[in-house]
Amino acid sequence: ETGVTQTPRHLVMGMTNKKSLKCEQHLGHNAMYWYKQSAKKPLELMFVYNFKEQTENNSVPSRFSPECPNSSHLFLHLHTLQPEDSALYLCASSLRGDWGERTLHFGNGTRLTVT
Amino acid sequence: AQSVTQLGSHVSVSEGALVLLRCNYSSSVPPYLFWYVQYPNQGLQLLLKYTSAATLVKGINGFEAEFKKSETSFHLTKPSAHMSDAAEYFCAVSDSRAGSYQLTFGKGTKLSVIP
Repeated sequence: ETGVTQTPRHLVMGMTNKKSLKCEQHLGHNAMYWYKQSAKKPLELMFVYNFKEQTENNSVPSRFSPECPNSSHLFLHLHTLQPEDSALYLCASSLRGDWGERTLHFGNGTRLTVT
Repeated sequence: AQSVTQLGSHVSVSEGALVLLRCNYSSSVPPYLFWYVQYPNQGLQLLLKYTSAATLVKGINGFEAEFKKSETSFHLTKPSAHMSDAAEYFCAVSDSRAGSYQLTFGKGTKLSVIP
């Protein structure tokens, strides 16, 4: 398998559920990202991990909890979500360095619906 | 802070016609600029990237973009639209802070191609 793979592709969960999104990259990258894509809004960066260490957390509510056990895997643990959290969650990976050397490679996303 | 404005949330062109998608940015320093494309039910894919090497940047699928510093613009063009170009297009600008992993995206322009 190549590229960035996200599972599941679709997820429906109740507000009291706990679930996890998984992302795996096979590109040899060392930075991984979670983005939220909502209708009619720009992509929102949620978290960034660089060599398994979190480097950015853009004021994301604590009901979203990221985990990066190694440079190839990234998880987003979800609990007690709200209906407004329904969105497409995109994982991306890249090399380190400045943006001249860095390009984001995205997975196909997980479509999350909170009921 | 950086910002990106994409004029027109929806653009329709006839097959074979010129494609022009507009992007204006604001940045306190010379930025890196990107165009990404998103096909239905997929993640984002890089079309092209400006890194100051050349003001006219050629990308995949026949697309190109021209960096105009005086106009703070980075418009995306393609001489002849194909049906397969129907997708959503996102312009993005890099964060000016050293070491930042933030990429600011526009709200996107959905391109429809009429046969």
